[in-house]
Amino acid sequence: GAGVSQSPSNKVTEKGKDVELRCDPISGHTALYWYRQSLGQGLEFLIYFQGNSAPDKSGLPSDRFSAERTGGSVSTLTIQRTQQEDSAVYLCASSLLATSKNIQYFGAGTRLSVL
Amino acid sequence: AQSVTQPDIHITVSEGASLELRCNYSYGATPYLFWYVQSPGQGLQLLLKYFSGDTLVQGIKGFEAEFKRSQSSFNLRKPSVHWSDAAEYFCAVTRNYGQNFVFGPGTRLSVLP
Repeated sequence: GAGVSQSPSNKVTEKGKDVELRCDPISGHTALYWYRQSLGQGLEFLIYFQGNSAPDKSGLPSDRFSAERTGGSVSTLTIQRTQQEDSAVYLCASSLLATSKNIQYFGAGTRLSVL
Repeated sequence: AQSVTQPDIHITVSEGASLELRCNYSYGATPYLFWYVQSPGQGLQLLLKYFSGDTLVQGIKGFEAEFKRSQSSFNLRKPSVHWSDAAEYFCAVTRNYGQNFVFGPGTRLSVLP
């Protein structure tokens, strides 16, 4: 596509429910990144994919968080048993290659609210 | 560990005034440096980047930034601010791979008419 697409744009859920956030990267981009932006905070790196593999999962805040990428394209970030502190904007970015000289292009984000 | 600080949480300037947003980093080596802008409800847009060479880099929308190794700084500047520049600005650094992409906490810019 023309840009990074994230869905849904807004998600309201009840505490304890599972949620899935989707990211569709720019066509041809092999690297995909997930970040979390909490209210008043900067961006917190969660995980990145090179192709379908995730070399670095160290940013995932707990084992309730997982992510997968299939076909080297779409990625899904899953949060199980959501907690109120999971409320944040989840941003996805993609780049041509997973090197710093390849610029990351960001989607508009998914705003997650856990009631 | 690498870190990025943006000392100003919120800055207010009048339209037409000059702007400087500060960014300082802590890194073991010369990093690659970026400035991103985030308008309300939007994703992040790259304004400019520094990898090497000329320490004064030009970006989009009339922005520029200067890398000063001695001060570990990469301040963003614009000579004349427009109302549409009101947004959140993030400084970021990395060296090798995407997983080490570290963002600062952001500076919110408000523009008075």
